[in-house]
Amino acid sequence: DVVLTQSPDSLAVSLGERATINCKSSQTVLYRSTNKNFLAWYQQKPGQPPKLLISWASTRESGVPDRFSGSGSGTDFTLTISSLQAEDVAVYYCQQYYTTPTFGGGTKVEIK
Amino acid sequence: QVTLRESGPALVKPTETLTLTCTFSGFSLSSSGMCVSWFRQPPGKALEWLALIDWNADTYYSPSLKTRLTISKDTSRDQVVLTLTNLDPVDTATYYCARMTKLCSASGCFSYNCFGPWGQGTLVTVSS
Repeated sequence: DVVLTQSPDSLAVSLGERATINCKSSQTVLYRSTNKNFLAWYQQKPGQPPKLLISWASTRESGVPDRFSGSGSGTDFTLTISSLQAEDVAVYYCQQYYTTPTFGGGTKVEIK
Repeated sequence: QVTLRESGPALVKPTETLTLTCTFSGFSLSSSGMCVSWFRQPPGKALEWLALIDWNADTYYSPSLKTRLTISKDTSRDQVVLTLTNLDPVDTATYYCARMTKLCSASGCFSYNCFGPWGQGTLVTVSS
C-alpha cells in the first residue's frame, strides 16, 4: 500500500491568514508517461461527506474557491488556503489513486 | 445532477453479514468510464477505501478486506450493493458510496481516479 502521511494533525489559523497542509507519499504518485500526479485533496466538514477539492495535485474542481490551491509532485504535496474563511473549518484529506486508493490521516483546520 | 444515497441496517451483530445499497441518479453505470466505489470511516478516524465496480462489472477490492467483501451492481435499478461478512465491532463506521470516472485513452484505462460526488453516508454499528 502507498502510505500518505499528513502534517500537521491539526492547525489553528486566524481568519484571513494562510493555512498550509502537507502530504507525503511513501512512493511516487507521478505517472511519468502522462506527467500527472495521481493525488487529490478533499474537504470534510462536521457531519458531512468528503467533498473533492483538487485533483491531479493542482486542478481545482468546478466551484471551488480560488483561495484553495494544490502543489507538489512525486512524493511531496501541499494544500494551501490563502486566506482562511470561517466556512473552511473542516478536516482535509489527501488521497492517492496511483494504485489501490489510500487516504492520509487528515488535518483538522480550526480558527485561532 | 448526480446524487448517491446509501441505505442499510444501522445495527448488526458480530459474525453477521452486512448488506449495503447505494442508489444513484444522474448517471448510468452502463456508460463507459463510470464506476461506483465504497468507503468507510470509523468515528473520529480517517477514510478507508473498500471496493469499486466499473461499467464492465470489473471489481476491485481493498487487499486487507478482500476475503470479506463483495460488490455488485444492478444497472436496471441504478444500484450498487456491498456485502461485508463476519462482522466485528471494529467494522463500526459510517459507510459511504461515491462515483468515480475512469481516465481512459486509446491504450486503455487507469484503474483508479479521484471520487465525487459522495453520498451522505450511513452509520453502521456492530454490537451484540
